[in-house]
Amino acid sequence: QVQVVDSGGGLVKPGGSLRLSCEVSGLFFSHHNITWVRQAPGKGLEWVAYISFTGSTTYYAESVQGRFTVSRGNAKNSMNLQMNTLRVEDTAVYYCATATGDGPLRYFEFWGQGTPVTVSS
Amino acid sequence: DIQLTQSPSSLSASVGDRVTITCRASQSIGTSLNWYQQKAEKAPKLLIYSASSLQDGVPSRFSGSGSGTEFTLTINSVQPEDFATYYCQQSSSVPPFTFGPGTKVDVK
Repeated sequence: QVQVVDSGGGLVKPGGSLRLSCEVSGLFFSHHNITWVRQAPGKGLEWVAYISFTGSTTYYAESVQGRFTVSRGNAKNSMNLQMNTLRVEDTAVYYCATATGDGPLRYFEFWGQGTPVTVSS
Repeated sequence: DIQLTQSPSSLSASVGDRVTITCRASQSIGTSLNWYQQKAEKAPKLLIYSASSLQDGVPSRFSGSGSGTEFTLTINSVQPEDFATYYCQQSSSVPPFTFGPGTKVDVK
């Protein structure tokens, strides 16, 4: 059974930093692409970042480009989202998910439970 | 960037109704369109991938169709557990992996 656990959220002041973690069990993690999706309070889903299973390809939403960095973690089945220069508008629940497939046929198959991030002074 | 619109933005249905949600892309995306269901305070759940492929474990009353710029998600005989918000998402031209704005299905 596949389990995705995202963690690391919390309260941070504008301009501050936070690092989110995602751990996947139950499948061959190193062969899976990983993505982060967020949802601001009362709003829809917004894709944030993506990293390929090799770590060689990363994509970012324009709204976080240059501030957020996604990387594979030290543990074989983990990955991190480093969030710097946080803004009030980054306040959201952040979900980690596995991104199955390749090329134009990719979909977000297994999801974590979400970790809340609040940016407020 | 490819934009996705969904219609309607919300709808009310009774148990047993057939529900259809439409997703339109700003340009052709082939069949690179996925559908997710999200219940309140829960993570999204993949329902349909590549426009019409049913994810393992998803009831067969859910179906997807379409290609190019117009897609539909159909729920045949809506059940109580189906009242939720539904999102489409494209993976044809990335980044970004665009989501539609969502369609909320609630009880009539």
